[in-house]
Amino acid sequence: GQQLNQSPQSMFIQEGEDVSMNCTSSSIFNTWLWYKQEPGEGPVLLIALYKAGELTSNGRLTAQFGITRKDSFLNISASIPSDVGIYFCAGQVGSQGNLIFGKGTKLSVKP
Amino acid sequence: DGGITQSPKYLFRKEGQNVTLSCEQNLNHDAMYWYRQDPGQGLRLIYYSQIVNDFQKGDIAEGYSVSREKKESFPLTVTSAQKNPTAFYLCASSIRTSVGETQYFGPGTRLLVL
Repeated sequence: GQQLNQSPQSMFIQEGEDVSMNCTSSSIFNTWLWYKQEPGEGPVLLIALYKAGELTSNGRLTAQFGITRKDSFLNISASIPSDVGIYFCAGQVGSQGNLIFGKGTKLSVKP
Repeated sequence: DGGITQSPKYLFRKEGQNVTLSCEQNLNHDAMYWYRQDPGQGLRLIYYSQIVNDFQKGDIAEGYSVSREKKESFPLTVTSAQKNPTAFYLCASSIRTSVGETQYFGPGTRLLVL
């Protein structure tokens, strides 16, 4: 079946550092979504991307829809302790397919 | 206040018992989904419904059942046939437009087996 490879699996960084994570697939996606999940809570949508090459920001977060439509990355600038959580990517194949989720990147920020 | 609600937050199941997890949304979304999340894993799709009175099996539907009698509600029943039900269950709803789908999640229900 279709798979999303999300990396890195985990990151331990110092407060103030920039963070980058990405998702890749062998399939072409029409939509890329990025979520953050905190312990015991549901994922919260951070950024939605619908067009190849699209670059979208949400505060200190920036995400891009890869030009090949097979990848996407999420950057967090100047990390702070409340950025801690698990970040998931999700992609949709075609306009009617279900979302496919990456396994998440666990981010830890040391004050 | 628009959103997705799930109840209860925690649910305990005895062996051989069926339990039902509630999911309600007031976002007027047509599509609703149930996912299962295990520690260190991504989300796995159990069932989904794109319209009232219709639903489809996802990747791991065995041992689960759903109904979609109202647009706002998509309850999930974990039956006694599900041998490993302990997990975090997430409900989602989505809106699909010509450019793509945007999916929103509820707060989740943690199911534990006694």
